[in-house]
Amino acid sequence: QSVLTQPPSVSGAPGQRVTISCTGSSSNIGARYDVHWYQQPPETAPKLLIFDNTNRPSGVPDRFSASKSGASASLVISGLQAEDEADYYCQSYDSILSGTVFGTGTKVTVL
Amino acid sequence: EVQLVESGGGLVKPGRSLRLSCAASGFTFEYYGMHWVRQSPGKGLEWVSGVNWNSGSIDYADSVKGRVTISRDNAKNSLYLQVHSLRADDTGLYFCVKEKKTRGTALGRYAFDMWGRGTMVTVAS
Repeated sequence: QSVLTQPPSVSGAPGQRVTISCTGSSSNIGARYDVHWYQQPPETAPKLLIFDNTNRPSGVPDRFSASKSGASASLVISGLQAEDEADYYCQSYDSILSGTVFGTGTKVTVL
Repeated sequence: EVQLVESGGGLVKPGRSLRLSCAASGFTFEYYGMHWVRQSPGKGLEWVSGVNWNSGSIDYADSVKGRVTISRDNAKNSLYLQVHSLRADDTGLYFCVKEKKTRGTALGRYAFDMWGRGTMVTVAS
């Protein structure tokens, strides 16, 4: 059972904006450990989407953005596109578990 | 081409052991921390274990601690995971992943910027 909680699913029409939350605690996100986000299309390995809370790797469209506040983080997809349909995971470090932790995952559906 | 290629998975009976391997190419392997992340069928991602760039720091998830050994051979650009006393809940796709940070000093706190395609481990009698 993950210590980072995400909504199981979110959906939106093409062009809409969707937000995925990642809720942690004082031993992970709240302890100021960085949050990273991954996109995993069906039958594909995950791909780094956002690193160090807000940064996009080269090649990731600027419609993907992220933020962090307190013990939570959020990923925003602005201008949803069909190819954005995938599972999304947040990741951080937990000082009690002494290891990396992933969020529970969110399935994004484009209506 | 920059890539990670896992091997060693398969169908294994409960209680047996397995050694997974990951061959890295296209980057300076010895500069980066490396990890294993697994995904049970239809489930989310679970971090399993990590080793820093010079093997000076190693961590394991509580779910595998005592049954798993991670190691690396920088001369061979390879990462390994030895799993003992396999259980049904060890079934899953095991990914080899690379840390983004060069010579990171805090294992597990960095993003994973490269993932292999994974090797499937099925534990069943």
